Amino acid sequence: SQQGEEDPQALSIQEGENATMNCSYKTSINNLQWYRQNSGRGLVHLILIRSNEREKHSGRLRVTLDTSKKSSSLLITASRAADTASYFCATGSGNTGKLIFGQGTTLQVKP
Amino acid sequence: DARVTQTPRHKVTEMGQEVTMRCQPILGHNTVFWYRQTMMQGLELLAYFRNRAPLDDSGMPKDRFSAEMPDATLATLKIQPSEPRDSAVYFCASGSNRAEQFFGPGTRLTVL
Repeated sequence: SQQGEEDPQALSIQEGENATMNCSYKTSINNLQWYRQNSGRGLVHLILIRSNEREKHSGRLRVTLDTSKKSSSLLITASRAADTASYFCATGSGNTGKLIFGQGTTLQVKP
Repeated sequence: DARVTQTPRHKVTEMGQEVTMRCQPILGHNTVFWYRQTMMQGLELLAYFRNRAPLDDSGMPKDRFSAEMPDATLATLKIQPSEPRDSAVYFCASGSNRAEQFFGPGTRLTVL
């Protein structure tokens, strides 16, 4: 079953612009993670934010988490053509390490 | 450069045949996950193991799918008999006591 709903499903922007993707989930979580998937490849972990954190940065990535609204956003600043990929949020709860993934946002960055 | 490896990368088979997919987790990782990805269903968790013991395989069709970890360096996912609806990309991921998972490149399965 899908925990996360991502919005938008697809996003197309010009190089240099910022890209924002949103994720909503249904149940309580320990952490929320974002992954990137290039076409034909496996998923790559980008960033993790814990349930007691509100914002986290990593390079050009900024993630926010609002547990009261059960939502998260991923901001990619100054996008590059190489950022073209699908981006997935995944929620973790309990202590099993199990993640439930959203359906993903497909980002296209035009050079 | 530690990576999860999966074999085969591509598999084309006929309906009714047995399919075995293999995964080598990152050395030292104690958790292994099997996922299936399709356009319609997205990424679905099929089964996962911790310290080689199966923790949850509720996402897996029991009548035809089986997952095992014969040792710490090998995880297998078998489908017998395979059906066209099993066509998908199957990913293996491994993890440690940290929360993030490391994915392999996937096995693209086509059942004719």
